[in-house]
Amino acid sequence: DIQMTQSPSSLSASVGDRVTITCQASQDVGKYVHWYQQKVGKAPKLLIYDGSILETGAPSRFSGSGSGTDFTFTINSLQPEDVATYYCQQCDDVPVTFGQGTRLEI
Amino acid sequence: QVQLEQSEHEVKKPGASVKVSCKASGYTFASHGISWVRQAPGQGLEWVGWITAYNGHTKYADKFQGRVTMTTDTSTTTAYMQLRTLRSDDTAVYYCARVEMLRYLESFLPSRHDYWGQGTLVTVSS
Repeated sequence: DIQMTQSPSSLSASVGDRVTITCQASQDVGKYVHWYQQKVGKAPKLLIYDGSILETGAPSRFSGSGSGTDFTFTINSLQPEDVATYYCQQCDDVPVTFGQGTRLEI
Repeated sequence: QVQLEQSEHEVKKPGASVKVSCKASGYTFASHGISWVRQAPGQGLEWVGWITAYNGHTKYADKFQGRVTMTTDTSTTTAYMQLRTLRSDDTAVYYCARVEMLRYLESFLPSRHDYWGQGTLVTVSS
């Protein structure tokens, strides 16, 4: 199975900060990494797909980059409503696997 | 608008089975797959498996192989996940998600999970 190593596991930042989360795949996954936001008690929500494409309706302060084994998710100008846990996911092969998650606090 | 409506919470005893439903609406059911993802209390996301709605092809994660069955009913645009021989560590919220299908050779792979159900809590307790 492809392992997705996500870091950090938690972080605290201030409103207006730029926040970066990384995900490293155990093997080449091409561009097939997606990023999700999960707020407490809610289902995950897709924010970025295929490494860098912003999902329709997602705020433009969210962005993604990377290919191969190294991927980055960025929030520019952090907002209070961004408090959540963020997950990366690889879909290059089955089983689909997720990173461990990053809990973001403000 | 795309919606996935899941069945209500379930409480089961160890060794029993559970069947969770996921009613899809607002899109062409056969054009996408459905994945099932679970989340144990306080834990991360774990992929259980997926099914292509147009032909019922399934792929399960190894740890669930033999205990899980995923099906779809195209007449009612509903997906189902049955998990058998339940254990206490199967206690989790189970989500269904609509999946884009990525063409791979003669088949498909699951890609982005773009819409999710609200989740169904399955509690396994004696």
